Amino acid sequence: SQTIHQWPATLVQPVGSPLSLECTVEGTSNPNLYWYRQAAGRGLQLLFYSVGIGQISSEVPQNLSASRPQDRQFILSSKKLLLSDSGFYLCAWSVFGANEKLFFGSGTQLSVL
Amino acid sequence: AQSVAQPEDQVNVAEGNPLTVKCTYSVSGNPYLFWYVQYPNRGLQFLLKYITGDNLVKGSYGFEAEFNKSQTSFHLKKPSALVSDSALYFCAVRVLYGGATNKLIFGTGTLLAVQP
Repeated sequence: SQTIHQWPATLVQPVGSPLSLECTVEGTSNPNLYWYRQAAGRGLQLLFYSVGIGQISSEVPQNLSASRPQDRQFILSSKKLLLSDSGFYLCAWSVFGANEKLFFGSGTQLSVL
Repeated sequence: AQSVAQPEDQVNVAEGNPLTVKCTYSVSGNPYLFWYVQYPNRGLQFLLKYITGDNLVKGSYGFEAEFNKSQTSFHLKKPSALVSDSALYFCAVRVLYGGATNKLIFGTGTLLAVQP
């Protein structure tokens, strides 16, 4: 069966420090991968999505970047964190054409101080 | 622009009573609509979806949703609420964009509070 792993679960970082959040999927090949951010515990904003290795689409201009070095690995990064980067980050995956259902990871709560 | 709206920030209902969480959408073409549930400090879990066919869709945990094309709505319902249903509920619509047809746009969420 397919599983998605996202880590760390919580992270506290000072302003100006770098960031690396990792997400991996098991049990499927060539998934579509997504990074969402949930601010203040409510609305979800799509940050990045990827349809294949090295293929990244950015939804909003921001201080973050994403990379997909392997088929089932999706990394969210920043060189210098801002206070406004605080939030709950969710990784998700889906299979192209398979009824568009998303499967979410358990999330990372990022606090930038 | 394609979007989905959840007009209620919070819905309060007594245990055993029916519940409705509202969602309206705006898309070009035929909509693909979804409901997800989020428990505190967790990721989202899929509840149900409407792609085509029957307007009444049944999903997990006894939830169902009714697709209404004329009102562009996809309200989530349950005949008898449980305290354990208390959570944040998200409506979502699929957006066609480039080659990635699986992109979902989410509403702002509705907090469901079921009182014992």
